[in-house]
Amino acid sequence: GENVEQHPSTLSVQEGDSAVIKCTYSDSASNYFPWYKQELGKGPQLIIDIRSNVGEKKDQRIAVTLNKTAKHFSLHITETQPEDSAVYFCAAPTNSGYALNFGKGTSLLVTP
Amino acid sequence: EAGVAQSPRYKIIEKRQSVAFWCNPISGHATLYWYQQILGQGPKLLIQFQNNGVVDDSQLPKDRFSAERLKGVDSTLKIQPAKLEDSAVYLCASSSLTDTQYFGPGTRLTVL
Repeated sequence: GENVEQHPSTLSVQEGDSAVIKCTYSDSASNYFPWYKQELGKGPQLIIDIRSNVGEKKDQRIAVTLNKTAKHFSLHITETQPEDSAVYFCAAPTNSGYALNFGKGTSLLVTP
Repeated sequence: EAGVAQSPRYKIIEKRQSVAFWCNPISGHATLYWYQQILGQGPKLLIQFQNNGVVDDSQLPKDRFSAERLKGVDSTLKIQPAKLEDSAVYLCASSSLTDTQYFGPGTRLTVL
């Protein structure tokens, strides 16, 4: 099945700085790449996703870039705020098509 | 629009006991997923339903785990008998015809 690698496992930035989280995947047929944010005691919440027909997608302070040749995609958060502190997961489809294989997560801490 | 509902939110049992979790997906979502999330890891797919049929249960430990979605709406996941290593958060997610999955708050299971 799809193997998703995520780095770094922890990331600490100062408020206002940018944060970048990177993921690689193994199945070149994958065409959908979501990012989820998970706060303590809650389920994962979709924050942005990208499909393979575009290279970049932006939503206010959050952007995702996709490099299909290299099989990696990245999450970019600009002007970070303390409320951005959470665990972020990248994911890619499983062989069945719609279920997801998740990375191991990145714990982001934004300090004031 | 109501989100994915799960109950109970927390459950503590002793090993070898049985336990059941309930999920009510977003109205109209044909696809339902159960994921297991062990502390410090990303969610891992256990089973995927399309309406009331199983699409993928390749990672479900069938000797002890079972799941059903009899009327194509609500679903239950059962563990019998539970082992210590089953301690985790059990997440339910649903999606419509697109890939986008929406997660519930999860059920935190502790097996003593």
